[in-house]
Amino acid sequence: EAAVTQSPRNKVAVTGGKVTLSCNQTNNHNNMYWYRQDTGHGLRLIHYSYGAGSTEKGDIPDGYKASRPSQENFSLILELATPSQTSVYFCASGDADWGGTGQLYFGEGSKLTVL
Amino acid sequence: GDSVTQTEGLVTLTEGLPVMLNCTYQTIYSNPFLFWYVQHLNESPRLLLKSFTDNKRTEHQGFHATLHKSSSSFHLQKSSAQLSDSALYYCALSDRSNNRIFFGDGTQLVVKP
Repeated sequence: EAAVTQSPRNKVAVTGGKVTLSCNQTNNHNNMYWYRQDTGHGLRLIHYSYGAGSTEKGDIPDGYKASRPSQENFSLILELATPSQTSVYFCASGDADWGGTGQLYFGEGSKLTVL
Repeated sequence: GDSVTQTEGLVTLTEGLPVMLNCTYQTIYSNPFLFWYVQHLNESPRLLLKSFTDNKRTEHQGFHATLHKSSSSFHLQKSSAQLSDSALYYCALSDRSNNRIFFGDGTQLVVKP
């Protein structure tokens, strides 16, 4: 069974603080993704990666950085958190490479509240 | 560019009635993969259905969908809704040319007794 784990699951941060959301996958997928989910907006892509050392901007990258130090790990970094970044964040790995279908395997989600 | 359209933001129906959630897509890629993901309250999205083959019905857990490339559609159907079907449903497209996955805005299905 595909496995994507996120930490922390819940985080309360202060405005202007730094937040790091971590994601680990054991699927050996090259592709990893960070989404945020807000009511009325569905899943919006923030950053994604094709493999270790690569990061790409998604549709809403402003205010976020990403880091992919290894095949297994993909982090989302908020250098200066703002209340507008209060959301639920999902990490996913995908099998679009190696002849896969592009199916995504999601983590459990990280609920971030910025006060 | 690629895109997915789900026309209904909210669908409310009575238990036992049929379900149909609409999904249309745009892509220049001739062989896209289409997906339906389901997300129950306080859970993460998980795959419900996927299809690559034109005009072939795909079924899983009582739901079914058929990819029609002629109309660029991949509607989700079920013959009889259950209370447990209440969830958020996303249609998604993978063109595999650049490893991007494109999601629709989602349809919230509410099934009432």
